[in-house]
Amino acid sequence: AQSVTQLGSHVSVSEGALVLLRCNYSSSVPPYLFWYVQYPNQGLQLLLKYTSAATLVKGINGFEAEFKKSETSFHLTKPSAHMSDAAEYFCAVSNTASKLTFGTGTRLQVTL
Amino acid sequence: AAGVIQSPRHLIKEKRETATLKCYPIPRHDTVYWYQQGPGQDPQFLISFYEKMQSDKGSIPDRFSAQQFSDYHSELNMSSLELGDSALYFCASSLFLAGGNSYEQYFGPGTRLTVT
Repeated sequence: AQSVTQLGSHVSVSEGALVLLRCNYSSSVPPYLFWYVQYPNQGLQLLLKYTSAATLVKGINGFEAEFKKSETSFHLTKPSAHMSDAAEYFCAVSNTASKLTFGTGTRLQVTL
Repeated sequence: AAGVIQSPRHLIKEKRETATLKCYPIPRHDTVYWYQQGPGQDPQFLISFYEKMQSDKGSIPDRFSAQQFSDYHSELNMSSLELGDSALYFCASSLFLAGGNSYEQYFGPGTRLTVT
């Protein structure tokens, strides 16, 4: 079975500060890992994905994530937060072309 | 670029009624997934189809059924609705690449079902 754990259900940062959203995975096979963002009353938008290629993955809107097998982590970062980044962020895992298993989500708040 | 289309966007039903949710995948995508997201919760996988055949099944109640049609659109049929079925229902589509490493799923905007 696969699972992801997101540490911190709520994260608050100041505009311009570093964003760090944590995700740890558990998988018996090499995982495929994803970060999705969900704005209020909207669908899920793919930010980035890891599929066993480069361990440092760059996504949209200035986000990136690093796959660390030794730490079973796939943390999401952004050097400088913007007000428009305020949303719910979900880490997800799958193997091959199959269902996504999501973490419980982290709500990012960006303050002035 | 074309995205996943879901209809209706909002649906209000009473207990014990039935509901049908529709999903139109991105053109040329051959796989459809259904997820249920309760209030304040993460999306939970319900069921998926690949080339019109059920490919995986998750925590989908027996009261629910789904299918994928020849044009690849999919429908989720929900009967004997309960208050607990109130949720956001997402459809996602992907293109299966044999030997490839894509596997990304593109989500539709969701159908918000309210059962009263």
